[in-house]
Amino acid sequence: DQQVKQNSPSLSVQEGRISILNCDYTNSMFDYFLWYKKYPAEGPTFLISISSIKDKNEDGRFTVFLNKSAKHLSLHIVPSQPGDSAVYFCAATGTASKLTFGTGTRLQVTL
Amino acid sequence: DAEITQSPRHKITETGRQVTLACHQTWNHNNMFWYRQDLGHGLRLIHYSYGVHDTNKGEVSDGYSVSRSNTEDLPLTLESAASSQTSVYFCASSESRVETGELFFGEGSRLTVL
Repeated sequence: DQQVKQNSPSLSVQEGRISILNCDYTNSMFDYFLWYKKYPAEGPTFLISISSIKDKNEDGRFTVFLNKSAKHLSLHIVPSQPGDSAVYFCAATGTASKLTFGTGTRLQVTL
Repeated sequence: DAEITQSPRHKITETGRQVTLACHQTWNHNNMFWYRQDLGHGLRLIHYSYGVHDTNKGEVSDGYSVSRSNTEDLPLTLESAASSQTSVYFCASSESRVETGELFFGEGSRLTVL
């Protein structure tokens, strides 16, 4: 049972445009959500997070939106750059100090 | 600089053999985790530990074991390797606050079981 789902396995966006990556979750006990970025042959690295008490968190070109009623979050990257091409994982955590990850979305930013 | 290292980075083995993947971190973190990454499944938790002599099963623990005899190391053992265990394995560690992104991953170990 996949508690964190990323329904789009891949996304292609032109450089300079907005990239929107989506994530859905089913476990209402999750209270913190994170996005990780992964380049080939490297481990995932933390990108941005949001607490369930907020609906938006912004860090430079990256913004995460949380809709608790819909159990949905999204990551917006504006403007997209070629270096943003990577696999993005959505993750969630509740009371235990461990993360549940989604299936990942491969973002390709084209010139 | 503190870091987390995995070895070997690549391994090919045969069905039925025992395999151990090493994970070593120098942050003195209490929490350590093993994940596997597979296409269509993302990152799935295999085992985790919150401290020395503590181990817990994750969502895909069958066929795997871990032991935590010190703070720095959490080796992952495949008792009898199966082709379904062909995957990329990631070790990670954190102090306590995974909520703020303080979960650090190693570079991964690619295991192929023939």
